[in-house]
Amino acid sequence: DVVMTQSPLSLPVTLGQAASISCRSSQSLVYSDGNTYLNWFQQRPGQSPRRLIYKVSNRDSGVPDRFSGSGSGTDFTLKISRVEAEDVGVYYCMQGTHWPRTFGQGTRVEIK
Amino acid sequence: EVLLVESGGGLVHPGGSLRLSCATSGFSFSNYGINWVRQAPGKGLEWVSSISSNSRSVFYADSVKGRFIISRDNAKNSLYLQMNSLRDEDTATYYCARWPQEEGGAWGQGTLVTVSS
Repeated sequence: DVVMTQSPLSLPVTLGQAASISCRSSQSLVYSDGNTYLNWFQQRPGQSPRRLIYKVSNRDSGVPDRFSGSGSGTDFTLKISRVEAEDVGVYYCMQGTHWPRTFGQGTRVEIK
Repeated sequence: EVLLVESGGGLVHPGGSLRLSCATSGFSFSNYGINWVRQAPGKGLEWVSSISSNSRSVFYADSVKGRFIISRDNAKNSLYLQMNSLRDEDTATYYCARWPQEEGGAWGQGTLVTVSS
């Protein structure tokens, strides 16, 4: 199975400052069609998860542009350019290239 | 608006069975693969199972293989998860979710399954 490793697991951030979460996979996530199926999900406290980013760097509809995804191969990053109070929650990466699908452990973002 | 609404959760004894449903609306259900994901209390997300749009391909996590069966009814825009031989460690909130290869990810609100004697 592909292991997804996130860091840090806890991220205290000052409002208005930038935040960055790393996600590394144990195998390349490049699929045979040339695409890389790496997703990012946000789970606010008490809510269901929602997808923020698909195929490494594409934002889902309604996702603020302060969220951006980057990376390739086995190394990926989610960045929040200016953290707002509503960004508090747990962030998960998930690979959609290999079976079984696997999630990272989650990174808890909190306000300092 | 894309909606996914799970139902069927509850309290069940170890070894028992439960059938979860996910009713969908707001999109062409028959065109999308769809997934079940679970989250044990206070824990992270765990992929459980996926089914292709035409039901020809199904996939399971090793932890549920041989005990859970995923299915869908495209005429009813609904997804199902038959859960048999339930164990304590299956206790979790179960979500149905779609994460297409293009815009339009969506999750339901979840249904809680508690396995306990």
